[in-house]
Amino acid sequence: QVQLKESGPGLVQPSETLSLTCTVSGFSLTSYSVSWVRQPSGKGPEWMGRMWYDGDTAYNSALKSRLSISRDTSKNQVFLKMNSLQTDDTGTYYCTRGFAYWGQGTLVTVSS
Amino acid sequence: DVVLTQTPPTLLATIGQSVSISCRSSQSLLHSNGNTYLNWLLQRTGQSPQPLIYLVSKLESGVPNRFSGSGSGTDFTLKISGVEAEDLGVYYCMQFTHYPFTFGSGTKLEIK
Repeated sequence: QVQLKESGPGLVQPSETLSLTCTVSGFSLTSYSVSWVRQPSGKGPEWMGRMWYDGDTAYNSALKSRLSISRDTSKNQVFLKMNSLQTDDTGTYYCTRGFAYWGQGTLVTVSS
Repeated sequence: DVVLTQTPPTLLATIGQSVSISCRSSQSLLHSNGNTYLNWLLQRTGQSPQPLIYLVSKLESGVPNRFSGSGSGTDFTLKISGVEAEDLGVYYCMQFTHYPFTFGSGTKLEIK
């Protein structure tokens, strides 16, 4: 069945770079797109960007200067890298296929 | 960016009551391909969002038919015909017609 799972460090220092991995199973990254969505505690979700099935990417303009999304189709993984992290980047980060299938989310705390 | 305004922000319902949530968009969500990419999601406390409705009115697989969606253009509604205890949580509308994809501010459903 379709599954997505996020992984990465739970704690990141301010001004450092966040690196997250979304490992998928049950479908091919060359057939379906995967988005990254984040959610500060107690607030609504924010779409960050998308890896299209054809390898193209789309980013939220609010984050575009700091964000990079890539993939390794042989490993069934989608990667998120975001630099210059600040405390308001703290939250739960999800990967999702078509907003119909979601990972469990990974909590990222930006703190020194 | 497309702003999705959800009302009411909080809904207090009794079991069996029918309720509606409104989602108004700052611009039309009709895509040039004829589809309207407006979804509804439910997020229970401590869980990932889960899909309820896609393309305005199509029920996701496994979702009870007491949930229904309607609307067009800029005005959309989610209706729950006969609230059950398991329906409590925060409901979000979201659009992916226009970049960046955006989410509504959420409606918290509480059970009396």
